[in-house]
Formats: sequence, structure tokens, C-alpha cells
Amino acid sequence: SQQGEEDPQALSIQEGENATMNCSYKTSINNLQWYRQNSGRGLVHLILIRSNEREKHSGRLRVTLDTSKKSSSLLITASRAADTASYFCATDPTDTGRRALTFGSGTRLQVQP
Amino acid sequence: DSGVTQTPKHLITATGQRVTLRCSPRSGDLSVYWYQQSLDQGLQFLIQYYNGEERAKGNILERFSAQQFPDLHSELNLSSLELGDSALYFCASSVEAGYNEQFFGPGTRLTVL
Repeated sequence: SQQGEEDPQALSIQEGENATMNCSYKTSINNLQWYRQNSGRGLVHLILIRSNEREKHSGRLRVTLDTSKKSSSLLITASRAADTASYFCATDPTDTGRRALTFGSGTRLQVQP
Repeated sequence: DSGVTQTPKHLITATGQRVTLRCSPRSGDLSVYWYQQSLDQGLQFLIQYYNGEERAKGNILERFSAQQFPDLHSELNLSSLELGDSALYFCASSVEAGYNEQFFGPGTRLTVL
């Protein structure tokens, strides 16, 4: 089963609106990362938040992490049509027997111009 | 452009055949990761190499194998192919062996007929 599960599975908004995606995970982590994937293309790293951080910003992106709830959220402010893509969270678990980034199933974001 | 290259871009083959996918990491990156992305399984981690040695293993089938060469490029070998092996195969690289930011290649789309 997936370590990270994104919610919602799909999101459609108008240009200029904010988009919020959530990720829940199951085990303790070293860090959580968000990636973006345009259709059929490779993933692009957006932002990494470590387990001892609660919030991080990068341009129009804001990521929060709540390790007590094992959840993270990605907020994209003032969305643009070019933000249309799938967004994945990936976790780096602390379990040394399973050291690998585990990706969630992704949120498909559609930004209408 | 992430700096990670993968060849070929597309591969169409028949069941029972064997194929080799090639990946060249970003200059200076020592770690290479292989992922499989299919509609029903999502993005699955297959295997990681660090400076020529296997570092971590994920959901890689016994029919699949990989290696990393002295020049740090990597190959993923898929044999006795089945219809269900049809997927996008991504290679990613990172500077270190830890699970921080990974840079993804454009992927190889494998179709097994």
C-alpha cells in the first residue's frame, strides 16, 4: 500500500484561486517532499520539509507538516494555467529497513484559464 | 531539463522479450534510482544504486535487474516481459545516498504487446 495518500484525487479551480492538496502518511519520516509531474513527463522536485520543520515557503508554494497527525499540505497561491499537473508527496521513512522514497497516488490539478 | 537522460524514449516489444533501459545521471550525482509508473500501481520504487553498489531495493521483480557502471550510468534490464510490465520507467539521480531532492529523467515508455 502507498505510504503517502493525497487528497483530493483531482481538483479543478479557476486561475487566480488557491489550490490546497493534502497528504497523509503512515510511518515516522525523516522528510517529506512534494513533486510535480506534467502529463507523461518526469517528476520535478518542488520542496522538501524536514520532520522538525512545521512550515516552509518557496515562491507561491507553502508546505506544512504535522508529524503528530502524519499529514502535510501543499498550498499553491494565485494559481496559473501552467500549474496544471499532478502533484505527489513522497516520504523518506525512518525505518532503515525500508529506506526509499515512497510516493503517494497524486492529486491531479486542473487550473482553468 | 533535469540533466538526467534516459534512452530510449519509447520501446515497443512483445511478451517474453528482454529489453535494456539506460540512464545517465546528472553530472556529479552518485545515486541512481529506478521507478516504475503505471496507471494501476502508481509510482513504485524499484531499486537504488550508489557509486556502483546496490543501496536499496523496492518492489523489483526477479525478472528485473539493474546495475550501475564505473562511469555512473545505469541500466535496467527487464526480461521475460509480460503485458503488465507496460509502464513508464523513470530514472532519478541525487548527489548523495540519502533521500533528499531527486532529479528525474524524462522516462522510457515501455509497451509490451
